[in-house]
Order: sequence, then structure tokens, then C-alpha cells
Amino acid sequence: DTAVSQTPKYLVTQMGNDKSIKCEQNLGHDTMYWYKQDSKKFLKIMFSYNNKELIINETVPNRFSPKSPDKAHLNLHINSLELGDSAVYFCASIASGGSYNEQFFGPGTRLTVL
Amino acid sequence: AQSVTQLDSHVSVSEGTPVLLRCNYSSSYSPSLFWYVQHPNKGLQLLLKYTSAATLVKGINGFEAEFKKSETSFHLTKPSAHMSDAAEYFCVVSDDGGNQFYFGTGTSLTVIP
Repeated sequence: DTAVSQTPKYLVTQMGNDKSIKCEQNLGHDTMYWYKQDSKKFLKIMFSYNNKELIINETVPNRFSPKSPDKAHLNLHINSLELGDSAVYFCASIASGGSYNEQFFGPGTRLTVL
Repeated sequence: AQSVTQLDSHVSVSEGTPVLLRCNYSSSYSPSLFWYVQHPNKGLQLLLKYTSAATLVKGINGFEAEFKKSETSFHLTKPSAHMSDAAEYFCVVSDDGGNQFYFGTGTSLTVIP
């Protein structure tokens, strides 16, 4: 009964490939996020969706395309992978409607681009 | 605009001694503040959060943090470090709507036996 789950946990691929990471939450939350954590542990927000609508879109290459088929899922598709895309990607969710609500994080997907 | 500064990128303490991880924030309104912990190869777990109900906030695993508005600080403390506390710690502030979160750069805590 994992609250926020991500698949796959590890992803190793060649430069130039296209790959997807999936995220699902069973908490009934309205808002979901994708973060990128680099090798120095710095967490950078990429996208946020609220009820399937994009609400935050930081400066991210358009090779990254999020998709939210329903409010429990937020997937991340990456085209033409580059070496610099290697990182750990975290999905998170939050119940909207309160500024004191905390985010719940998935276990992360470690992407390695060779 | 909101931002968070974690003053130490690395902190080392001996087991059984106190832990202090420093965090200063910048916010144009009364902020929501959080501390998260990330153990190696794991996701982030909430330690505690400040919700304006009390300035001293108690969290899990014996951690607590004190909100000091005059100093714009939200430092994390624990009286006695345990080996299992070795991890990366993130201080976070959220925006007024509670939709966007601003992370500090993290503090890596090492506990020496």
C-alpha cells in the first residue's frame, strides 16, 4: 500500500533514446510534482499538475514532457536523452487547499544515460 | 520571493552528541516551513513542519525545530545523535498558496561512532 510509487526504480539507457517514468499516488491528492535531483543532491522542481492541469513549468528542455492521464498519475517522458539528464527523478504529491500541507515523495527513479 | 539557505553543506557529530542543522529563510509573508530527511538511496521523508500553531515544533525520531521570526531561522536540532541519523537533510519553504516548494541545498549529516 505504497503512497507514492514510481516505476522503474532504475533506468539505464543510451544517449538519444526516448524513455518514460511513471508515477502513481493512492492518497487522493490533487497536485503532483516532478523533481530532478543532481549528483550534488540539489532538488530542482520541474513540473507540477493540479487535477490534470499543468500549474508549474520551470525552465526545463522541451525534450521533457509530463502527462497526467488522471489526478492519481503523473508520467514523465523524455526524448533524445542526453548525458546531463542522468539524475534521480522524484515524484511527489500533496493535498491542495492548505498552505501547511506537506509533500509526499516517491522512492525515486535513478536514470543513467550512457 | 521565497528562498531557503542551509548554512552548512556538511555536518559531522559524534554519536550521542547534539545535532544542529541550520536553516534561514526568506519570505514575504508568514511562511510554511518543513524539514525533510533523505537516507541513502531513498526518497524524502517529512521530519516536521511549522504551521504557525507553535514556534517549537517536534518531529519524528527525536528531532525538533524552532521558528524564530526575528532571525528568519528554522534550525533543526536533536539532543543526542544516533548512527541512523546519518542522512541528507533538506529545509523547505512553501509559497503562499502551498503549491510551490523551495528547497535548500541540503546538509549532509555524518555521525561518527
